[in-house]
Formats: sequence, C-alpha cells, structure tokens
Amino acid sequence: KAGVTQTPRYLIKTRGQQVTLSCSPISGHRSVSWYQQTPGQGLQFLFEYFSETQRNKGNFPGRFSGRQFSNSRSEMNVSTLELGDSALYLCASSADSYGYTFGSGTRLTVV
Amino acid sequence: AQRVTQPEKLLSVFKGAPVELKCNYSYSGSPELFWYVQYSRQRLQLLLRHISRESIKGFTADLNKGETSFHLKKPFAQEEDSAMYYCALRAQGAQKLVFGQGTRLTINP
Repeated sequence: KAGVTQTPRYLIKTRGQQVTLSCSPISGHRSVSWYQQTPGQGLQFLFEYFSETQRNKGNFPGRFSGRQFSNSRSEMNVSTLELGDSALYLCASSADSYGYTFGSGTRLTVV
Repeated sequence: AQRVTQPEKLLSVFKGAPVELKCNYSYSGSPELFWYVQYSRQRLQLLLRHISRESIKGFTADLNKGETSFHLKKPFAQEEDSAMYYCALRAQGAQKLVFGQGTRLTINP
C-alpha cells in the first residue's frame, strides 16, 4: 500500500512569505502528526490531528498552524516566514498511535 | 516533561563487533519507547517498539524502568547497519513522540 506522501519535496521561500505543506497519510490512518527536523534542535513535535481535530500541539509560535480534512489529508501552514524556519518538515501517520509511519519530508529553505 | 537522551552523537564499530546504542529517558509515568532508523537518503523508519518485544534486523532493545533506559543492541554489526538511529518516547495518553538527538552509527569494514 502507498506510504505517507508529502508535497512538495523541496521549497524555497523568502522571509515574510507564507507556505503550505501537504501530507497524505496511509489509507485508513486517521492520525497525522507533524515534526520539524533541524541539525540544532533535532526532531521536534509540531502538532497532531485526529478526525479533523487538533489533539496536541507542540511548543511553536502561532505562525505555525495546521488542519486536517475529512479524508485525513493534512496541511500545515507557516506564516511570516523567518530564516530559522528553514528545516525538514516531516509528517507521520498512525492507525493506533503505537507506531508512526513517516513521510520523506518537505525541505523548506527560507532566504 | 519528558526527555530522551542519547549520549553518543557518533558511534563507530567494526563489522562483526557488537553494537550498543544508548538511550536514557526521563518520565515519571509508564512510557512507550521506540527506536527509529534513518538510512542515507531514506525516510525515518520504525525499527523497534518495546511493546512488541520483537527483534528486527538482529536488533533488540529492552526497557529497563529501574535505570530508565532503552538501549539498542546487536551482537554482530553489519555494514548495512550504518545509519542514524533515534530513540523516542511516547508518554501515557499522549499523541506525540519525544525524540533523542540521535546517534550516527558507522560500521567499518
């Protein structure tokens, strides 16, 4: 079966712009989580959605937001981009919260 | 708050030698522990979770609640084991993973 699909794979944006990243989970998985991966901070949890509801949110500013659609696909949005937002953004889906399957990520570069 | 510590950023061993990647955690409740692996140019993959007590690719990990550790072990390292390894914790009732900083394992021929 298809894995977790993230689009786009690479993105270059300018400071101050906003960006939307997309994640399609494994079919049947209703939980979608987002993580930010940077060399300095490692993997940090952004938020998790289940059946279109945000259940958990990490310690990130309000510029980071997300949503989940009825087909479980999820998007995350970052507004007013800063240089420090440059990172690999990973999406993970789960059927039961015991095991998470990760996508390949979207590499965002802010210039 | 939960914390996961992987004390070694880099670990290098020879092929055929035993491997142990250390993971310590800080959490007052009953944690769920995972090991994830990231091979070069590949996505993060689940290697082990303590609930299932499986052995994957020869790796095992035992949860030691007394020492708050979940070390990953393999008796005989293979070159294809070279990768980045992350230990992760999920707190009771939580829907997020807390990751360690990772250990880059290099297996020398």
